[in-house]
Amino acid sequence: GGIITQTPKFLIGQEGQKLTLKCQQNFNHDTMYWYRQDSGKGLRLIYYSITENDLQKGDLSEGYDASREKKSSFSLTVTSAQKNEMAVFLCASSMNSYEQYFGPGTRLTVL
Amino acid sequence: GEKVEQHQSTLSVREGDSAVINCTYTDTASSYFPWYKQEAGKSLHFVIDIRSNVDRKQSQRLTVLLDKKAKRFSLHITATQPEDSAIYFCAASMGNYAQGLTFGLGTRVSVFP
Repeated sequence: GGIITQTPKFLIGQEGQKLTLKCQQNFNHDTMYWYRQDSGKGLRLIYYSITENDLQKGDLSEGYDASREKKSSFSLTVTSAQKNEMAVFLCASSMNSYEQYFGPGTRLTVL
Repeated sequence: GEKVEQHQSTLSVREGDSAVINCTYTDTASSYFPWYKQEAGKSLHFVIDIRSNVDRKQSQRLTVLLDKKAKRFSLHITATQPEDSAIYFCAASMGNYAQGLTFGLGTRVSVFP
């Protein structure tokens, strides 16, 4: 088995701040994803990466940057945090298949 | 792009009864339809899926039905138990697994004694 680790678990930021979320997986999966989960809005895809150094935009990529530094890690940056923003960011991975494994999430609050 | 609609936001069911959650999708190119479960305070985990080359798939107490003509799929949970209480998300993939999933908004299932 494997595990997906997301850091930090909770992230509190200030309006306009650049914030970085990190994800690590030890499944040796090729593809990694970042989703945003808002209350009452389900999950929306922000970025995905099919291999190291690859980046593909999802439906919600505006306001975010991502980086796939190596196969096991995928970072997401909120380029300018919005006041009163609250969401959970979920990282997932998959191995050349549809089934995705999700991490525990990072809960973002912007003051 | 693809849109997935999940028709019930909440569903209450008596323990031992069956629960059915319905979803519809818009893109005829979608060919993979998974279901995920999110228990309170936890992340999502995969429960069952169906591909467009079949119209029914069963795994223990879970059955997924797919009606491609109506662009509709559903999750059936039989003999519900308290541990089935969770938010269930349906999703669809537009054909290329790597492009990620489009999720519905989720259905909160509550199983009461």
